[in-house]
Amino acid sequence: DADVTQTPRNRITKTGKRIMLECSQTKGHDRMYWYRQDPGLGLRLIYYSFDVKDINKGEISDGYSVSRQAQAKFSLSLESAIPNQTALYFCAARTGQGTEAFFGQGTRLTVV
Amino acid sequence: GQSLEQPSEVTAVEGAIVQINCTYQTSGFYGLSWYQQHDGGAPTFLSYNALDGLEETGRFSSFLSRSDSYGYLLLQELQMKDSASYFCAVRGPSGNTPLVFGKGTRLSVIA
Repeated sequence: DADVTQTPRNRITKTGKRIMLECSQTKGHDRMYWYRQDPGLGLRLIYYSFDVKDINKGEISDGYSVSRQAQAKFSLSLESAIPNQTALYFCAARTGQGTEAFFGQGTRLTVV
Repeated sequence: GQSLEQPSEVTAVEGAIVQINCTYQTSGFYGLSWYQQHDGGAPTFLSYNALDGLEETGRFSSFLSRSDSYGYLLLQELQMKDSASYFCAVRGPSGNTPLVFGKGTRLSVIA
């Protein structure tokens, strides 16, 4: 049973469309994160949340928004997708006292 | 903010030892972590150092020197399955700050 689950795993969308990537976790982690991965650029933080009422911008939040609907769910939205948002997106979760972050399997998003 | 530097690529022979270095700059420091990512997979946790010294977990060890803002991941008895990308990551200045990752080191293990 995966700790962190992302849906969809792959998505192709058109420029200008709104798209939502979903993330859920089953182990009660309080902290959740969205990262974007591009070749050679590592993992860059988009948004993070320490609990349902807490949302924080990361390094590259422009063009993205998030919603923490419940402790277990953290979704990422692209209001108007553009081609340079084509990337691999990872959701991660961690418990406050824990040192390990658990990652979902990633969503490969292509904007055409 | 935080920034991390690590080599982009390393190649090593099966059975050998390889060290992947990471230097960081951060306004505060709460710990250095290492993650492994195979092609097409998700990053997975390898180790965490909050204090100076060496942490050993099987074939993998991680070292931290807070005074030098430096750490490394040491992989011993390399196996072909160790071919992957390795990321160092820092949290700082408190436990309430998120993980910030380096750009990753691509390790290729050759026969």
